[in-house]
Amino acid sequence: SAVISQKPSRDICQRGTSLTIQCQVDSQVTMMFWYRQQPGQSLTLIATANQGSEATYESGFVIDKFPISRPNLTFSTLTVSNMSPEDSSIYLCSVGGGSTEAFFGQGTRLTVV
Amino acid sequence: SQQGEEDPQALSIQEGENATMNCSYKTSINNLQWYRQNSGRGLVHLILIRSNEREKHSGRLRVTLDTSKKSSSLLITASRAADTASYFCATDRSGTYKYIFGTGTRLKVLA
Repeated sequence: SAVISQKPSRDICQRGTSLTIQCQVDSQVTMMFWYRQQPGQSLTLIATANQGSEATYESGFVIDKFPISRPNLTFSTLTVSNMSPEDSSIYLCSVGGGSTEAFFGQGTRLTVV
Repeated sequence: SQQGEEDPQALSIQEGENATMNCSYKTSINNLQWYRQNSGRGLVHLILIRSNEREKHSGRLRVTLDTSKKSSSLLITASRAADTASYFCATDRSGTYKYIFGTGTRLKVLA
């Protein structure tokens, strides 16, 4: 199993600003995943973060808007840039997957005003 | 696009009753998982069922998988107020470690 610490747990931000979300895992993992959950919706994968290489983004998500860092095997950050109210969502990081269960952080509830 | 579609979207039952949620998906999978989310927080893994399995149990949970119909169901027996949450199915994207989440079922158990 893996324990994931994600912070901040919530934030209220002004439009046009940026927020960086941190995700710390208690063990070394190859891949980390970032999801967005818009209000009342399901989870949508934003990108996959591999250590030592650029993140791989899903359709509809771009690096300029959601830059990701992965400096080592236990840590990753997701930045939500130039925020607008449409970015108000819960952002979750995750590890694991494939043939095993995935583990999630507690999420960051972002409100953009 | 989301691969899993779940129904019902919302379900309200009395404590002690059983709750059944269904998940349908579109492409071949290696496994399917069910997760619970309380009040928009992080997801808690409930159960994983592989494509060569038909049924799995864990406590009050029973999951079935029908790969011919590309569907799965989650049964929660003898529900409790603490089971109130959103439930999501997730299917793996073949050949990758990525998961596609269903639309979710919001379950409310009334005491």
